[in-house]
Amino acid sequence: KQEVTQIPAALSVPEGENLVLNCSFTDSAIYNLQWFRQDPGKGLTSLLLIQSSQREQTSGRLNASLDKSSGRSTLYIAASQPGDSATYLCAVIDTGTASKLTFGTGTRLQVTL
Amino acid sequence: DTGVSQNPRHKITKRGQNVTFRCDPISEHNRLYWYRQTLGQGPEFLTYFQNEAQLEKSRLLSDRFSAERPKGSFSTLEIQRTEQGDSAMYLCASSLTGGYGYTFGSGTRLTVV
Repeated sequence: KQEVTQIPAALSVPEGENLVLNCSFTDSAIYNLQWFRQDPGKGLTSLLLIQSSQREQTSGRLNASLDKSSGRSTLYIAASQPGDSATYLCAVIDTGTASKLTFGTGTRLQVTL
Repeated sequence: DTGVSQNPRHKITKRGQNVTFRCDPISEHNRLYWYRQTLGQGPEFLTYFQNEAQLEKSRLLSDRFSAERPKGSFSTLEIQRTEQGDSAMYLCASSLTGGYGYTFGSGTRLTVV
């Protein structure tokens, strides 16, 4: 059974700092890995999708990397802003299902002024 | 197309009552998913449809839960004889085959009192 872990569970940084969020998964037979953002009481917004054959994806100030063999992904946020404050969720789609997402418990990020 | 729409946004019900939620996916997406999220946790998979066929159900989906997607368009999730443990955010998502374009709705927050 696939298990996804995210570290740290919570993080507080001052505005302007670069930061890294970590995600690990137990079964390397994944179809893809996705990073989502969730604001309090709201649904999820897709940030980046990395196919199993890819090493990284970039969107603006966000860069996500994938090391399938070691079962790890990182989300790098450059020059953090207060508007980045949210919970960041990592999720994988297994090769076997190619459909449902298995989520980690998230990293709650607060960017302070 | 304005994305995935879920109704109602909030539902408060008494224990033992039945509730039904609706999800309207992105029209060109053939896959529709239901997830449940409790406080401080990542979303957990409940079930998914490809067109009108329900292809997988999680063990979390007890006999009191039923989901339908008539004609492969909108979907409903019904919970019969609600229990306090059913209190959660119920999230709907849709995607193309292979998980491309995974888009979540804003969710329905259920409170059972």
